[in-house]
Amino acid sequence: QKEVEQDPGPLSVPEGAIVSLNCTYSNSAFQYFMWYRQYSRKGPELLMYTYSSGNKEDGRFTAQVDKSSKYISLFIRDSQPSDSATYLCAMSAGAGGTSYGKLTFGQGTILTVHP
Amino acid sequence: DVKVTQSSRYLVKRTGEKVFLECVQDMDHENMFWYRQDPGLGLRLIYFSYDVKMKEKGDIPEGYSVSREKKERFSLILESASTNQTSMYLCASRLLGAWQPQHFGDGTRLSIL
Repeated sequence: QKEVEQDPGPLSVPEGAIVSLNCTYSNSAFQYFMWYRQYSRKGPELLMYTYSSGNKEDGRFTAQVDKSSKYISLFIRDSQPSDSATYLCAMSAGAGGTSYGKLTFGQGTILTVHP
Repeated sequence: DVKVTQSSRYLVKRTGEKVFLECVQDMDHENMFWYRQDPGLGLRLIYFSYDVKMKEKGDIPEGYSVSREKKERFSLILESASTNQTSMYLCASRLLGAWQPQHFGDGTRLSIL
């Protein structure tokens, strides 16, 4: 079983829809959670960063963390064609042993928002 | 804004060649990382460096080595390139601290023929 599971999609939605992207994880030591957006032929770009359970909002994006269920989500409101990209969740347990805060990534979800 | 620059966007090399991939960051970050990204396998950590001249193996270090002589520069070396090393290579950096997020370059798409 992978430490982080993410539905690869692809996910196709109409412009203006609310998008929900999700990851589940098995390692209860994870305490830092990130969402990255990756456009085609580009590197991942940090979108959201959280370190506690609850919600964090930034414009049209909301990151949600539920540590008791080992579940994180990214919501995109009023989705736009420019949101079409691959979305990667990533998480870290922080420093411990020799891990130096290694990031564990999900597989990525391919999202297409069509006009 | 953090800037992580990878020297080549596309590179084509031949089997058996020694290949150097270069990465430079301009934010005085202590930690730097090399990943490869393959369809269906996601991002996998090859090596990371927590400071100048310091390095630690990641999940898939076989066939690779690294060099960090200056804080801003981290090089990935393929000692003898093989076709199974054809991949997208991503460099990342972050401030010192396991809780700090990583920032990525735009990648080098390497093809080994």
